[in-house]
Amino acid sequence: KQEVTQIPAALSVPEGENLVLNCSFTDSAIYNLQWFRQDPGKGLTSLLLIQSSQREQTSGRLNASLDKSSGRSTLYIAASQPGDSATYLCAVSNNNDMRFGAGTRLTVKP
Amino acid sequence: EPEVTQTPSHQVTQMGQEVILRCVPISNHLYFYWYRQILGQKVEFLVSFYNNEISEKSEIFDDQFSVERPDGSNFTLKIRSTKLEDSAMYFCASTEYRGSPLHFGNGTRLTVT
Repeated sequence: KQEVTQIPAALSVPEGENLVLNCSFTDSAIYNLQWFRQDPGKGLTSLLLIQSSQREQTSGRLNASLDKSSGRSTLYIAASQPGDSATYLCAVSNNNDMRFGAGTRLTVKP
Repeated sequence: EPEVTQTPSHQVTQMGQEVILRCVPISNHLYFYWYRQILGQKVEFLVSFYNNEISEKSEIFDDQFSVERPDGSNFTLKIRSTKLEDSAMYFCASTEYRGSPLHFGNGTRLTVT
C-alpha cells in the first residue's frame, strides 16, 4: 500500500525567502505526482502535476521535481509571499486512486 | 475555467440518517472520485468510478457507502445510517483520463450529530 510522507509538517519563514517542501513515497510504480494547495476550510487547488516519465515541472515561482527511483519529490517556492501561506499537499497516483501526504502547513510572515 | 461543483456546501444530519452528497464533475471528464478529510487529518481516498462502475475502493468504503451516476452529469455519494465518525469534509474530484490532473470540488462539510 502506498504511503506518502511530507516533511516538515509545518514551516514558518519571512517573506522573500526561497523554500523547499519535501514529499516521499514508498511505492515507486506511480503514474504521476501532483502538488496541491489547500487554504483553511477550502478545497484543493492543483499546483503542478509531474508525470512518472518527467523529472520536473515549473509554474511561475513554483518548481516541482520528481525522483521516482528514490521515491521523492520536492516543491520549491521562490521569493515567498504572505499569500503563499496555506497547506501544501503532495499526492501520488498508482492506479485508480491518489494517495495524499498529511501536508506541510506553510506560514509566510510579512 | 470548468469546475467541479458540489452541493450542499454543508450538511447536518442526525446519527442513523441517510445522506446523499452531490457532485457535478467537469463535463468531458471520464474518471470520478470521492475523498474525505476528517478535521485535522489527511485527505483519504474513498472510491474511484469509471465507465459506470467502481474501479477501486479503499478499506473505508464499506457497505455503508455507495456511489451512483444517475444521469449524464451528476455523481453522488450515499452514506446509509450515518455515524458520528462520518463527520468530515467530503471532496469530489474528476479527471479527463488516467494520469491527467485531478480537479477537486470545494467539498461538502458533513456534520453528524
